[in-house]
Order: sequence, then structure tokens, then C-alpha cells
Amino acid sequence: DTGVSQDPRHKITKRGQNVTFRCDPISEHNRLYWYRQTLGQGPEFLTYFQNEAQLEKSRLLSDRFSAERPKGSFSTLEIQRTEQGDSAMYLCASSWAGNTEAFFGQGTRLTVV
Amino acid sequence: DQQVKQNSPSLSVQEGRISILNCDYTNSMFDYFLWYKKYPAEGPTFLISISSIKDKNEDGRFTVFLNKSAKHLSLHIVPSQPGDSAVYFCAARGLTQGGSEKLVFGKGTKLTVNP
Repeated sequence: DTGVSQDPRHKITKRGQNVTFRCDPISEHNRLYWYRQTLGQGPEFLTYFQNEAQLEKSRLLSDRFSAERPKGSFSTLEIQRTEQGDSAMYLCASSWAGNTEAFFGQGTRLTVV
Repeated sequence: DQQVKQNSPSLSVQEGRISILNCDYTNSMFDYFLWYKKYPAEGPTFLISISSIKDKNEDGRFTVFLNKSAKHLSLHIVPSQPGDSAVYFCAARGLTQGGSEKLVFGKGTKLTVNP
């Protein structure tokens, strides 16, 4: 197991298009997080799964955003009708319940043109 | 309302000297504090953490100090090496209303270690 894996690494899309990102967490981790990072800012929490249950969504996650973790393993984050303000690095992290640190993937860089 | 603040956007030190990165927080309910290092075009990499019940944690060249009364923590890197050049994020863990243990990050400090 090589850590948290995200796909794709980069995505350029036209405004109004839908995009989907995938995250494969560390296999034994039951917690999965999505964060978003924009230039000059630290990562901001978007949503959290424990196993397949989505337990929390940030108010940053508008109705155009949806995340799933269907079998408690990999997760997808979909953005519908993308806007230029959605351009950011989308980071996935995983952890084991009871452990402090979350391990991050390399991120998906989204550019909306 | 930024709950975790890193007031120095950048820091430059000479190789072999000490690097001190600072972080302040406002929420007294945070129970763990973490430092992450981030290289360009990569995700953050975990460095070191400290529980709110401790005041110091050490791991090799990295030491984190926590002053709860001042709501302040710092990361010391001794000796600093050119490979330490990166953006360092301070993060705090706290329970949310939904019960998740999300991390709240500062804006980061860009460390440059000069040979």
C-alpha cells in the first residue's frame, strides 16, 4: 500500500461542465476526508466519511457538490456545473479512528476556464 | 473567523541553524495539534503532533512546543537543512457538531533554508 491515491492529478474543464474526482484511501483506514485548498490558504474541510456513511458536510459544499463512498473504500467527489471559483486543489485524506494524524493524497488540481 | 493563525507568511534561515515556526489558535476545545509539510504540487505530509495535555513532543530534528495558556504552539527544526524548504501548515483537531474530527489549518509559512 503506497498511501492515499487521487485521480486525476490535474483537470482542466470548461465552465458549466461536470467533473468527478476519485480518492483511494489507505486500505485499513475507515475515515476519509475531502479538503479544498486555494492559493495562499490552508486546506479547508469539505466533508467526512466514516466507513460508507457521510457524517458531515461543510457549508462550503454547495448543492453542486456531492461526495460518495459506496462501499466504505474509495470515494468520489463530483462537482456539477463548474464555476471559475471552483478552481482549487482538492485533497483527500484518510485516517484510522483513534489515530491523530490524517494522511493526505497528492491532490487533484482543478482549473475551470 | 480564522481559528488557527500563522502570522508569518515566510521565513528564511541558514543551513545548520534553528528554524522556529509559530502558530496561534483561538478555540480552546482543540485537543490535538499537528504540523504538516507541503512541497509544491503535492499533498501535505504529516510531520509531528502534540496532544493538548502535553507541552512538548520531540521527533528527531523536529520539536513541537505547546503553551495552552497563551494558545500558542511552535515547531523547532534543528539543525535546518535545505531539504526542509517547504510550506509548513499548523493544524488543530477538534470535534465538530457532526462528531467528525476535522482538522482546521492555518494559512502556512513558507520556509527557505539557504545553503
